[in-house]
Amino acid sequence: GDSVTQMEGPVTLSEEAFLTINCTYTATGYPSLFWYVQYPGEGLQLLLKATKADDKGSNKGFEATYRKETTSFHLEKGSVQVSDSAVYFCALRNSGGSNYKLTFGKGTLLTVNP
Amino acid sequence: DVKVTQSSRYLVKRTGEKVFLECVQDMDHENMFWYRQDPGLGLRLIYFSYDVKMKEKGDIPEGYSVSREKKERFSLILESASTNQTSMYLCASRGAVKHTIYFGEGSWLTVV
Repeated sequence: GDSVTQMEGPVTLSEEAFLTINCTYTATGYPSLFWYVQYPGEGLQLLLKATKADDKGSNKGFEATYRKETTSFHLEKGSVQVSDSAVYFCALRNSGGSNYKLTFGKGTLLTVNP
Repeated sequence: DVKVTQSSRYLVKRTGEKVFLECVQDMDHENMFWYRQDPGLGLRLIYFSYDVKMKEKGDIPEGYSVSREKKERFSLILESASTNQTSMYLCASRGAVKHTIYFGEGSWLTVV
């Protein structure tokens, strides 16, 4: 079945550091890929998405590129802020089968210190 | 803005109690979902509904049931709560923009 593997946290960075959170996936067909963010005490919010190979999703300074050859969708940001502290989830939605649901990774906790 | 509202943020229930978690969305979305979130396990799908009175089991339906009598409301039911159902429960909905799923703020359930 479909699965998503993302790097285990927690990740602790200083403000203005470069961020990478790795995400790889296993899926049949041609999935759409997503990054969701969960701030403390809140639900999940869509951060960015990509629906086909080589697409780049971007939002709030975060970027991720859909790499079909490496089945990856790594999240990057050039300069993190304290306000980026949150849990980040990589997810996929497959185009085949039951396409109603998202399959999530286990989440990566990011803490940014001033 | 799309709003997904979960009626209870924090609940404490006793083992064996029947528990209802309510979720309402205001955007006429067809699809609604219940996930649970546990440390180290991420989000796991319990049930989803693709229309009124329609439901399908997700990955971990055991011990849960759902009700979707109206399009805007999707209820998760724990018939007899157990301590291993202590968790954060997240409701979500999806509509016309097919790739975007909107989440509620979550309900923290503790079963003692």
